[in-house]
Amino acid sequence: QVQLVESGGGVVQPGRSLRVSCAASGFTFSNYGMHWVRQAPGKGLEWVAVISYNGRLKFYVDSVKGRFTISRDNSKNTLYLQMNSLRVEDTAVYYCAKEYSNNPDYFDYWGQGTLVTVSS
Amino acid sequence: IQMTQSPSSLSASVGDRVTITCRASQDMSNYLAWYQQKPGKVPKLLIYAASTLQPGVPSRFSGSGSGTDFTLTISSLQPEDVATYYCQKYNSDPWTFGQGTKVEIK
Repeated sequence: QVQLVESGGGVVQPGRSLRVSCAASGFTFSNYGMHWVRQAPGKGLEWVAVISYNGRLKFYVDSVKGRFTISRDNSKNTLYLQMNSLRVEDTAVYYCAKEYSNNPDYFDYWGQGTLVTVSS
Repeated sequence: IQMTQSPSSLSASVGDRVTITCRASQDMSNYLAWYQQKPGKVPKLLIYAASTLQPGVPSRFSGSGSGTDFTLTISSLQPEDVATYYCQKYNSDPWTFGQGTKVEIK
């Protein structure tokens, strides 16, 4: 069965960096686009970034452009989100999500999330 | 594209028919999904392509619409439907979510 397991969250000071990961299993990882979605405490879902199945296409929400980088290692079935110059407003649970196909598509599986807290 | 859901919250009785709307700022054909997020849980896909029910989702859930106006309907509200519901566009960047509609039992 499909499993997405995030890791790497924690408490970090404003301006510092953090990398979160998402380990995938139960499907052919290299065939699907993957996304990061975040949810601030008590708030709604916010789409953050997407990477195509082969890593060649990447898109970001405006608020993280130039600070966050999405990447993937298909040999390790792992998705990453490198977060630099973190701000207090980046505090959220970060979910990875799998696209239904390798075209722009909806999310059929989600991970359990990893909490990133940006605080001094 | 902006996705605007209404209402932001609602309270209804068990057995009531509940309707949530989602309006897009631009025509997006039927590239719309609905997700359910129960308190403390991960979002779950309910409907895609505006009206196609994900396998395993109860038939009391239905979706309709195309272009800019979409609707999620729960035909007979059940206690286990207490959750926040989100619409999402997925035809292109950005994969924007609506702000969510919190559904409670009266």
